[in-house]
Amino acid sequence: NAGVMQNPRHLVRRRGQEARLRCSPMKGHSHVYWYRQLPEEGLKFMVYLQKENIIDESGMPKERFSAEFPKEGPSILRIQQVVRGDSAAYFCASSPGTGTSGHNEQFFGPGTRLTVL
Amino acid sequence: SQQGEEDPQALSIQEGENATMNCSYKTSINNLQWYRQNSGRGLVHLILIRSNEREKHSGRLRVTLDTSKKSSSLLITASRAADTASYFCATDGSSNTGKLIFGQGTTLQVKP
Repeated sequence: NAGVMQNPRHLVRRRGQEARLRCSPMKGHSHVYWYRQLPEEGLKFMVYLQKENIIDESGMPKERFSAEFPKEGPSILRIQQVVRGDSAAYFCASSPGTGTSGHNEQFFGPGTRLTVL
Repeated sequence: SQQGEEDPQALSIQEGENATMNCSYKTSINNLQWYRQNSGRGLVHLILIRSNEREKHSGRLRVTLDTSKKSSSLLITASRAADTASYFCATDGSSNTGKLIFGQGTTLQVKP
């Protein structure tokens, strides 16, 4: 059972370009979370999605950022008109669901390191 | 301020010694999790402890949870150089969506 897959692993963009980050959850997992990690910091929650639905986007910047998790295919985190401050590691995590006693542990992908020049 | 805050921020020990890291949080929780992150890599899930549990073991790892003090500790016994990494605690903040709130992490260096 492959783990959470993310691609690309490294992405370089110039200011003003678009960045698309992809995440394939573990097989059987229907819950996807995106987190951002700035250098020397912990991870910050961005958005939580289930298939075709955004459940919680309270951590997403109001502009330029969007996320989707279509019925078929990976989850996509899209950043439009990137700025230098968007440079960070973006991690995706998946979990199988809520379980009987709260949400299950989340399994993380290797991350995409975005560098904005 | 941070939901989860670890201390110390950095810890350096000799191989074979024990390493203890602490985590404090502010809100009620359903569970608390500990993760390890090697430099430049993704997070590896270590252990999950539920709010009704007080202690949990996994191999050389021992986690305690004190909900009255809103704190948790991670003990790594008989440390190895391969344990060198950053360690993060994460809480769900009693969220019904399962989103995790991470602390700043403790950077552990184990010297051979």
